[in-house]
Amino acid sequence: DAGVIQSPRHEVTEMGQEVTLRCKPISGHNSLFWYRQTMMRGLELLIYFNNNVPIDDSGMPEDRFSAKMPNASFSTLKIQPSEPRDSAVYFCASSLFEFAVGGYRVYETQYFGPGTRLLVL
Amino acid sequence: AQKITQTQPGMFVQEKEAVTLDCTYDTSDPSYGLFWYKQPSSGEMIFLIYQGSYDQQNATEGRYSLNFQKARKSANLVISASQLGDSAMYFCAMRGRTSGSRLTFGEGTQLTVNP
Repeated sequence: DAGVIQSPRHEVTEMGQEVTLRCKPISGHNSLFWYRQTMMRGLELLIYFNNNVPIDDSGMPEDRFSAKMPNASFSTLKIQPSEPRDSAVYFCASSLFEFAVGGYRVYETQYFGPGTRLLVL
Repeated sequence: AQKITQTQPGMFVQEKEAVTLDCTYDTSDPSYGLFWYKQPSSGEMIFLIYQGSYDQQNATEGRYSLNFQKARKSANLVISASQLGDSAMYFCAMRGRTSGSRLTFGEGTQLTVNP
């Protein structure tokens, strides 16, 4: 089975340029997450979607960042304009969100893509 | 608010021996889930094991087991019969009822398996 697919795997760009990261979640999953990993801040959740709807974007650092999920099989994270401090590994993850059954909540596992290593010069 | 603490920045273990990676958590949620992920040097995040706060038994997945002590708010990962390929960064994470789908991660423990 195909896992979460991210592209590109590596991106080197110059400050001020637009960067677009892409993600294809696992088929059948209805939640999608964008994370950023840096040495200084560790893993941070940027935004997540349930059924293509953004639920929590409180982790998006600033207006330069935007994310979309036009359909259940595709999402993008865009940085415009990019800055050197945006250099990081960006992960996309997906999960199958299910409502509680009988009052007992099972916390669905998030499966991560391979990540995109972004370097902004 | 939720917090995950991994107090061991680095751990060393001999091949074929068992090792325990510590994880303590803090939450006010009565219901929550705990996860462990492995991140090898290649960078991908690999899901290892999950424990629900109401699960009666400790979770096990092959050589991985979770020593869940709810009263102590700890969820230590035990790796039995360590292999060289287990050398990686290991992250403990949790989600609670009030955090929606948001995962809170610890800072990670770098495990090195020596031959």
